[in-house]
Amino acid sequence: GAGVSQSPRYKVAKRGQDVALRCDPISGHVSLFWYQQALGQGPEFLTYFQNEAQLDKSGLPSDRFFAERPEGSVSTLKIQRTQQEDSAVYLCASSSGGAGANVLTFGAGSRLTVL
Amino acid sequence: AQSVTQPDIHITVSEGASLELRCNYSYGATPYLFWYVQSPGQGLQLLLKYFSGDTLVQGIKGFEAEFKRSQSSFNLRKPSVHWSDAAEYFCAVGPNNAGNMLTFGGGTRLMVKP
Repeated sequence: GAGVSQSPRYKVAKRGQDVALRCDPISGHVSLFWYQQALGQGPEFLTYFQNEAQLDKSGLPSDRFFAERPEGSVSTLKIQRTQQEDSAVYLCASSSGGAGANVLTFGAGSRLTVL
Repeated sequence: AQSVTQPDIHITVSEGASLELRCNYSYGATPYLFWYVQSPGQGLQLLLKYFSGDTLVQGIKGFEAEFKRSQSSFNLRKPSVHWSDAAEYFCAVGPNNAGNMLTFGGGTRLMVKP
């Protein structure tokens, strides 16, 4: 696609529910990143994929957070048993890899509100 | 570990005035440096980047930034601000190897007075 597409744009969940957030990166982009942006803060790194391999998941805040990219394109971030502190915008970004690997193109984000 | 500090949380400037947004970073070597802009409800848009070479880099929308190694700074400037520049601005640092994640500052919210 022309850009990074994320869905849903908005999600309201009751505390304890599971949610799944989808990211469709730019076609052919090797690298995919998930970031969490709390209200009034800068984005914070969650996890990174190169193709289907999850190379870094050091930013995932707890074992309730899980990400996958099984075919090396679309990725899903899953949050189990959501808590109020999970409320944030979840940003996905992709890059082409190689020398330009650090030029990230971001999606518009998925805003999660946990009640 | 790398880190980024944006000392100004909010800045208000008059339309047509000049702008400078401050960014200081901490990193063990020469990093890759970026400025992104985020409008309400939108994702992050890349304004400019520094990888190597000329320390004054030009970006989109008339923005520029200067890398000063001695000050560990990468300040963003614009000579004449337009009302449409009102947004949140984020400085970010990345390690100088391929395929690793960026660390962002806390952001500076720019407001433009008519």
